[in-house]
Amino acid sequence: AQKVTQAQTEISVVEKEDVTLDCVYETRDTTYYLFWYKQPPSGELVFLIRRNSFDEQNEISGRYSWNFQKSTSSFNFTITASQVVDSAVYFCALRRGSTLGRLYFGRGTQLTVWP
Amino acid sequence: DGGITQSPKYLFRKEGQNVTLSCEQNLNHDAMYWYRQDPGQGLRLIYYSQIVNDFQKGDIAEGYSVSREKKESFPLTVTSAQKNPTAFYLCASSADRWNTEAFFGQGTRLTVV
Repeated sequence: AQKVTQAQTEISVVEKEDVTLDCVYETRDTTYYLFWYKQPPSGELVFLIRRNSFDEQNEISGRYSWNFQKSTSSFNFTITASQVVDSAVYFCALRRGSTLGRLYFGRGTQLTVWP
Repeated sequence: DGGITQSPKYLFRKEGQNVTLSCEQNLNHDAMYWYRQDPGQGLRLIYYSQIVNDFQKGDIAEGYSVSREKKESFPLTVTSAQKNPTAFYLCASSADRWNTEAFFGQGTRLTVV
């Protein structure tokens, strides 16, 4: 069975602090894909990153960075110098390599950044 | 602009009524999905379709029905058999490739009154 765990339900930080959102996944597949989505108050899920299981290289995009470690089945997301606009619910998701499409989501982490 | 359009944004239903949520995409994607979001529950898959005239049940299909008569459209009907329909419903689509992500609509918030 596939499972994604986001243990942090809510996180509050003050602007300019760094924050890390944790994601732990379970799958027996050797090929799989991991995703992070952002859900602002408007409700739409905004795609942030996709990573396949064969690529453990960490990625940085502006203030965002992702750390993928297969040894610990984790795909953590760090926001550096957080801003109020980063306030949202963040979802980690997994897709199996054997089936196109469907995603298995974690329960999400509500991030609030205070000015 | 290409994207996914869900309508209506807010929907109120009386108990015992069926309601249909609309989802249209102009991204030329083969696959479409319906997810349900409840507070603290993440997103759970209701139904998905990978080609026209074909669809499969997801994890929580009971009380829901779908159709896929056109590539662009994947409406979801919430029937009276759905015990707790009040939720936020999200439609998504994706291309039929491995190295791709799903795109989501803005959602429909359904409330039973």
